[in-house]
Amino acid sequence: DVKVTQSSRYLVKRTGEKVFLECVQDMDHENMFWYRQDPGLGLRLIYFSYDVKMKEKGDIPEGYSVSREKKERFSLILESASTNQTSMYLCASSSPGGFPSYEQYFGPGTRLTVT
Amino acid sequence: GIQVEQSPPDLILQEGANSTLRCNFSDSVNNLQWFHQNPWGQLINLFYIPSGTKQNGRLSATTVATERYSLLYISSSQTTDSGVYFCAVSMGANSKLTFGKGITLSVRP
Repeated sequence: DVKVTQSSRYLVKRTGEKVFLECVQDMDHENMFWYRQDPGLGLRLIYFSYDVKMKEKGDIPEGYSVSREKKERFSLILESASTNQTSMYLCASSSPGGFPSYEQYFGPGTRLTVT
Repeated sequence: GIQVEQSPPDLILQEGANSTLRCNFSDSVNNLQWFHQNPWGQLINLFYIPSGTKQNGRLSATTVATERYSLLYISSSQTTDSGVYFCAVSMGANSKLTFGKGITLSVRP
């Protein structure tokens, strides 16, 4: 079974802190994604990566950066956390090019609260 | 970008009832997935179904790609089926998923 893990289920940080959210997958997937989920706004893509050291902006990259130094790990970084970044963060991974499929697999999520 | 609409937005069932959840999308896709979001927020993969029909226990799904819709069937519903069901689609390789707003299902004992 595909397994995607995230470093924390719940996280509370203060405004201005630098925050690291870690995601690890064990399926040797090239593609990895970070989404955030907010009531009324649904799930939105922040960043994705299709290879080590490669990254692409998603729909809402402002205030975030990412790091992909190893194939299995994709980190989301909040350089200076703000209260409007309080959200549920979900990481996902998939194989490239549709082989064996385009299916994305999600981690358990991290509920981040910024006070 | 591609639009995804799910209906109905909310559904209340008595345990044992059957239901159909619908997903319409606005363009050709090469990925369509159905998820169940559990009370802890995790998205559980139900089906990867860009076309055709699949069944898994009490759940089945059909996607008619030429008409741009997908249906998720839940038979003999149980209280544990409660939660939010999402349809999500993507186009092309390495593409993000675009999610619908979800359908909130409540199954009453």
